[in-house]
Order: sequence, then C-alpha cells, then structure tokens
Amino acid sequence: AQRVTQPEKLLSVFKGAPVELKCNYSYSGSPELFWYVQYSRQRLQLLLRHISRESIKGFTADLNKGETSFHLKKPFAQEEDSAMYYCALSVGTQGGSEKLVFGKGTKLTVNP
Amino acid sequence: DSGVTQTPKHLITATGQRVTLRCSPRSGDLSVYWYQQSLDQGLQFLIQYYNGEERAKGNILERFSAQQFPDLHSELNLSSLELGDSALYFCASSAYGGDHYEQYFGPGTRLTVT
Repeated sequence: AQRVTQPEKLLSVFKGAPVELKCNYSYSGSPELFWYVQYSRQRLQLLLRHISRESIKGFTADLNKGETSFHLKKPFAQEEDSAMYYCALSVGTQGGSEKLVFGKGTKLTVNP
Repeated sequence: DSGVTQTPKHLITATGQRVTLRCSPRSGDLSVYWYQQSLDQGLQFLIQYYNGEERAKGNILERFSAQQFPDLHSELNLSSLELGDSALYFCASSAYGGDHYEQYFGPGTRLTVT
C-alpha cells in the first residue's frame, strides 16, 4: 500500500535557524515525490519535485530510496516560510493515470 | 496563480441539501482531479477525469459524483449533505513535465454544512 508519513504535525523554529521537515514514504513502485506548500488555507502550491533536483525559495529535498525519505530542508528559515507543508507521492492508478497521496502535513512556524 | 479556477469560493448550506462545485482546468490540461481537505482526514483524493472520462476513483462517497464536460471543465456534485462534509474541496489539473505528471491546484471551495 502507498503511504506518506510526515511525523511532525507542528514545527517551530527561530528566524535564521536551519529547518528540516521530515517525509517518509511507502511505495512498491518507483517513487515520484513532491513538496507542496499552503499559506493560510489557500491553494496548494507546488514547491519542489524530486525529479528536477532544484532549489526553490532556498528549500531543497533529496530522495533517499534506502531510507524511503524525502526530507525538505532550508539552511536559514525566514518568517515568510511559515505555512503548511505537504509531502506527496504520485502513484499510478488502474486507469493508467496518476493520483497524489498526501501526508498529513507539517505546520511550520518561523518566529522572529 | 496556477491557472486553475474554482467557483464558488465559499458555500454555506444545510444538512440534506445538494451543491455543485465547479472547476476549470488550465488551458490545455485534459485531466481534472478532485481532492477533499478536512481537519481530521487531511488531503484525500476523490476522483479524476481525463478528457471527459472517469479515470480513477479514490475515497469518494456514493453521495458524491463528478463529471467533466466537452469544454473540459468539471463539476463535483455533493448530495444529502452531512455536517462531516464540511471541508475545503480542491480541484487540480495536470500537465506532463517530461517524464512525470505535475498537478496544479485551484484556490478551493470552502463548504460549510450547518
């Protein structure tokens, strides 16, 4: 069965401190993972995709297949990073398409 | 702005009623996905349509149904509403990113059932 686990419901750091949001997944196929960010219950915005290995707003995430993890990291947190962060796994469906399976989310608060 | 639009933004209705949520995908996207976001269940996939046909089903109740029209907009119909149906309903459309699909989300419809 496919599953995404974000163990921390809440994470609070001070401005300028490093931040790591944890994500672990369970999937028998080849994983395609994403991080989405949601500010104040607005629309979900795609932040990162593992396949492109990019850095957006200072965030990076590395897929570790051995540990089945896709943790999101930023070396110096900013107050504007305060938001809900969702890790998502793209899984194939019987119809030959894909759907996203989301973790429960981590609410990040960056204090001044 | 992702290019995905949803109407209405907010909806307040009573138990037992029926509502219709509307979604317009990004220009050129053929797939539409519906997700429900609630405080207790988190974000859950409901259903997907591709070019007018149902492609995948998730945790969608029998009281809920959806369709995608020839102009590719989609509607999610929720009937016999219960208090527990209060949630944020997101629509997403997808584009092929070269070797995988990426989903882009609309602003959501906040449904409150009283």
